[in-house]
Amino acid sequence: EVQLVESGGALVQPGGSLRLSCAASGFTFSNYWMSWVRQAPGKGLEWVANIKQDGSEKYYVDSVKGRFTISRDNAKNSLYLQMNSLRAEDTAVYYCARAHYYYGSGIRTDAFDIWGQGTVVTVSS
Amino acid sequence: DIQMTQSPSSLSASVGDRVTITCRASQSISSYLNWYQQKPGKAPKLLIYAASNLQSGVPSRFSGSGSGTDFTLTISSLQPEDFATYYCQQSYSTPRTFGQGTKLEIK
Repeated sequence: EVQLVESGGALVQPGGSLRLSCAASGFTFSNYWMSWVRQAPGKGLEWVANIKQDGSEKYYVDSVKGRFTISRDNAKNSLYLQMNSLRAEDTAVYYCARAHYYYGSGIRTDAFDIWGQGTVVTVSS
Repeated sequence: DIQMTQSPSSLSASVGDRVTITCRASQSISSYLNWYQQKPGKAPKLLIYAASNLQSGVPSRFSGSGSGTDFTLTISSLQPEDFATYYCQQSYSTPRTFGQGTKLEIK
């Protein structure tokens, strides 16, 4: 079964750090771009970061640049998000998601076809 | 960054109704538009990719259309399991951005 399972969410104080993990199974992890997407309580979805198959390219949303670091270990089929200098506004459910490439409508594009169940990060004193 | 705006933000409808949700991009994104469904406490589920292509396993009552800046998601005959929140997302550029969501409620 194709699956992503996140872990590492916790209650942390402002300014603190946390490392999230996402374990992949049922597919060749090293073939896919991977992303983290978050959802604040009662709010919509926000893409946070992504990483290329070999880890050579990484991109971030502006609000986390310099504070969060995405990484992966293809040998362990795992994706990570190191979060430093956490703020109250980082409180959210964090999902890892697989980006699958598709051909359609005359283009080649990607979409998030597999998602984990999410892990909860709460930043509060 | 490309801004995605959905309308309406919420919608009440009945089982069997035909429903249309609109998504507008702040600049042209060709057909680089995906649609997701999210139920409370669950992860999002991919419904449509590249504006109009149905993801495997998604019922045919879901359809998508549009290109450029204006897109629609249509549910031809609402079923009880379709009451959820729907998000559009552009895959044209990074950062990937989502619409704010449309909550579809039972009338």
